[in-house]
Amino acid sequence: EDQVTQSPEALRLQEGESSSLNCSYTVSGLRGLFWYRQDPGKGPEFLFTLYSAGEEKEKERLKATLTKKESFLHITAPKPEDSATYLCAVQDYNQGGKLIFGQGTELSVKP
Amino acid sequence: NAGVTQTPKFQVLKTGQSMTLQCAQDMNHNSMYWYRQDPGMGLRLIYYSASEGTTDKGEVPNGYNVSRLNKREFSLRLESAAPSQTSVYFCASTSPSGRFTDTQYFGPGTRLTVL
Repeated sequence: EDQVTQSPEALRLQEGESSSLNCSYTVSGLRGLFWYRQDPGKGPEFLFTLYSAGEEKEKERLKATLTKKESFLHITAPKPEDSATYLCAVQDYNQGGKLIFGQGTELSVKP
Repeated sequence: NAGVTQTPKFQVLKTGQSMTLQCAQDMNHNSMYWYRQDPGMGLRLIYYSASEGTTDKGEVPNGYNVSRLNKREFSLRLESAAPSQTSVYFCASTSPSGRFTDTQYFGPGTRLTVL
């Protein structure tokens, strides 16, 4: 059974304090791993897709990496506007286009 | 280009009432999805439509029905609402015509409370 586990559930950082969010997954055939950002009261907003181990993607202060068992979302020198819930999801070749989501990591960055 | 739109944004129902959540996308996407999001549970797939004219059950379909009205619109119906259906509902769409187009784009959500 496909499974996605994110840790930590919540993370509090000071502005400028770099850290990483973890997404561990179990899937029979990985088609893609997706990272989304979700602000309170809004829908998930797409950030990255990773397809194979070793792949990396960057966007501003965010960098996503992928291994065969997990993905990391590295946040470098975060700002208060980076505060949000970050969602990880996997797509299984054997499950069509369906996404399996983790529970998310709620990030709070204090000035 | 509005992307994915959902109506209504908020709704309060009494147990046993029925309602339909509407979703539309203007990106010419083939596939559409309905999710519910509950605290501590993450996003869970209710139903999806891989293409116009087809629908399939997801992880939590009980108590719901869907209609793919045309390529743009995908509605979710609660026939007899229950308090357990209190949740935030998200619609998403994607066009799985190639690996770089499999991203799901989400609407703003409908916040439903069943009393």
